[in-house]
Amino acid sequence: QLQLQESGSGLVKPSQTLSLTCAVSGGSISSGEYSWSWIRQPPGKGLEWIGYIHYDESTYYNPSLQSRVTISADRSKTQFSLKMSSVTAADTAVYYCARISSLRMDVWGQGTTVTVSS
Amino acid sequence: DIQMTQSPSTLSASVGDRVTITCRASQSVSGWLAWYQQKPGKAPKVLIYMTSNLESGVPSRFSGSGSGTEFTLTISSLQPDDFATYYCQHYDTYSFIFTFGPGTKVDIK
Repeated sequence: QLQLQESGSGLVKPSQTLSLTCAVSGGSISSGEYSWSWIRQPPGKGLEWIGYIHYDESTYYNPSLQSRVTISADRSKTQFSLKMSSVTAADTAVYYCARISSLRMDVWGQGTTVTVSS
Repeated sequence: DIQMTQSPSTLSASVGDRVTITCRASQSVSGWLAWYQQKPGKAPKVLIYMTSNLESGVPSRFSGSGSGTEFTLTISSLQPDDFATYYCQHYDTYSFIFTFGPGTKVDIK
């Protein structure tokens, strides 16, 4: 059974770079059937799509975040990562990774909380 | 960019009620529309994909429909486990962008 697990820096200082990794177990991230996505949810607010990486390593980002975000994949380690630069308090959120299948996010990680604070 | 809105933002209902949530797009969109359920402290769970396809394992009381700019999620008979927040999500095949609606919270009347 496919499982996703987020990990990374839980506390980031303003203006620094947020780095998160999503470890995928029980499956491969190289399959052409799936893409791999990051989504976030600020406290008490709704879901915001950040971006995704396709099996061919093409990437697509939310236009509002595009200038600060990079998603990459490490297929040898079966994981994909998120880097977000120049963070502010507005980037404080629960960050989720998810698998995309038939253009819906069908498997999600449990989420990891990132707080931006000095 | 295509904007998604949902109505109502909050819905108070009783067990057994038929519940309908509407998701509207700022322009006519394709049928790449999904619905998610999220409970406090948990990751979202997909219920419906491609407008009307029921995700495996999801109870048949959930259904989706719609086209163009208006899509609906219907719960035919609300159960205690269904009190949660529901989000629609669209994928734009031209810009390759996902967009979530703002959410509808279903709470107990």
